[in-house]
Amino acid sequence: NAGVTQTPKFRVLKTGQSMTLLCAQDMNHEYMYWYRQDPGMGLRLIHYSVGEGTTAKGEVPDGYNVSRLKKQNFLLGLESAAPSQTSVYFCASRFLPGQVYEQYFGPGTRLTVT
Amino acid sequence: SQQGEEDPQALSIQEGENATMNCSYKTSINNLQWYRQNSGRGLVHLILIRSNEREKHSGRLRVTLDTSKKSSSLLITASRAADTASYFCATEGGSYIPTFGRGTSLIVHP
Repeated sequence: NAGVTQTPKFRVLKTGQSMTLLCAQDMNHEYMYWYRQDPGMGLRLIHYSVGEGTTAKGEVPDGYNVSRLKKQNFLLGLESAAPSQTSVYFCASRFLPGQVYEQYFGPGTRLTVT
Repeated sequence: SQQGEEDPQALSIQEGENATMNCSYKTSINNLQWYRQNSGRGLVHLILIRSNEREKHSGRLRVTLDTSKKSSSLLITASRAADTASYFCATEGGSYIPTFGRGTSLIVHP
């Protein structure tokens, strides 16, 4: 199993540009999450999904959109990037939270917006 | 807003010593988890403790949970240089959406 993979690993954007981050998992997990990690702030939840075709807002959803068209993929979109979105983005997945399984994290995407 | 807050923010010890870090939270939880993050990598799950449990062990790790004080501690015994990493606690209530703290940065000197 590849686990949780993220594409791309690094990206530099200019203000106003758009991009999509891809998260893929091959563990048949129901729940998927997008977090951002900034220095001194820990991880903050952007959006999450409890299953194929569903999405929900987390703590810091503004400026981001997500889609979960297939169970194994969770896409995070930035329609008009801003310097405040410079961060490291982590995707995570989980089998079924009701069973209290742990989260599996991807390696992260380091995004810089200039 | 972050539910769990780790303390201390940074910890520096010698190899062989024990490392203790704490997590405090504000509202009732169903479970609490500890994760490790090596520099430039994703988080790795270490241990989960449910709200009806008081202590759990996993190898050199010992986690305690005191729901009356809304706090948890992670003890790493006989630390190794390879334990150098950031450690995060994550709390979950009924929604099963984990909320992470800011983390404790541990440096273990060889």
